[in-house]
Amino acid sequence: DFQMTQSPSSLSASVGARVSITCRASQSISSYLNWYQQKPGKAPKLLIYAASSLQSGVPSRFSGSGSGTDFTLTITSLQPEDFAAYYCQQTYSTPWTFGQGTQVEIK
Amino acid sequence: QVQLVQSGAEVKKPGASVRISCKASGYTFTSYYVHWVRQAPGQGLEWMGIINPSGGSASVAQKFQGRVTMTRDTSTSTVYMELSSLRSEDTAVYYCARVGGGYNSFDYWGQGTLVTVSS
Repeated sequence: DFQMTQSPSSLSASVGARVSITCRASQSISSYLNWYQQKPGKAPKLLIYAASSLQSGVPSRFSGSGSGTDFTLTITSLQPEDFAAYYCQQTYSTPWTFGQGTQVEIK
Repeated sequence: QVQLVQSGAEVKKPGASVRISCKASGYTFTSYYVHWVRQAPGQGLEWMGIINPSGGSASVAQKFQGRVTMTRDTSTSTVYMELSSLRSEDTAVYYCARVGGGYNSFDYWGQGTLVTVSS
C-alpha cells in the first residue's frame, strides 16, 4: 500500500497568514494527489486535484504543488472559514489512501 | 444539482450487520464510480472500497474483505454498503463519494451516516 504522511499534524495561524501543509508519499504517485478540506460534522470537500488543479468554485487562495512523492497545499491569506482539517489522498493505486490529516486552528 | 443522500444513523450490537444506502440524483447514475470512506470519532479518513454502478462490480480494501458487500440498484440510483460482524471499532461515520473530479478525485460526497456499535 502507498503510505501518505502529512505534516504538521496541527498548526495555529492568524487570519491573513500564509500556511503550507506537506504530504509525502511512500512511493511515487506521479500527480495523483488530491486535497480535501473537512469542517466539523461535515463531509470532506475537494479543493485540489491532480496535485495542482483547483476544483471549480474553490477560492484562488488555495494552491497545490508537487509531483512524485512530495506535495504541498498552500493557503495564502488565511480566512476565518479556512479553519478546518485538511487531508491529502493518493489515487494512483488502490487502496486509495489518505494522509492522517492536518488541523488548522486559530491563533 | 448533484446530490448523494445517505440513510440515517444506526445503532447496532456487536456481531450484527448494517446496510447503508446512498441515493444519487442530478447526474447519470451509471456514469460515475462510487466509493465508500469511513471516519472513526476524532480520526482520519479510511478508504473502504469502490463500486461501478454500471456493471455492479466492486473492489473492497483488503482490511474489509469478507465483511463488506457493495451493491447497487440502477432502478433507484442507489448504492449500498453492508458491513457484517460489527465490532466496537466499526463505530464511525460512513460516507459515499462520487469519483467525478480529475485524477480520480471525489467531487461529491454524501452527508455521512453514523453507525454506532454498542452492546
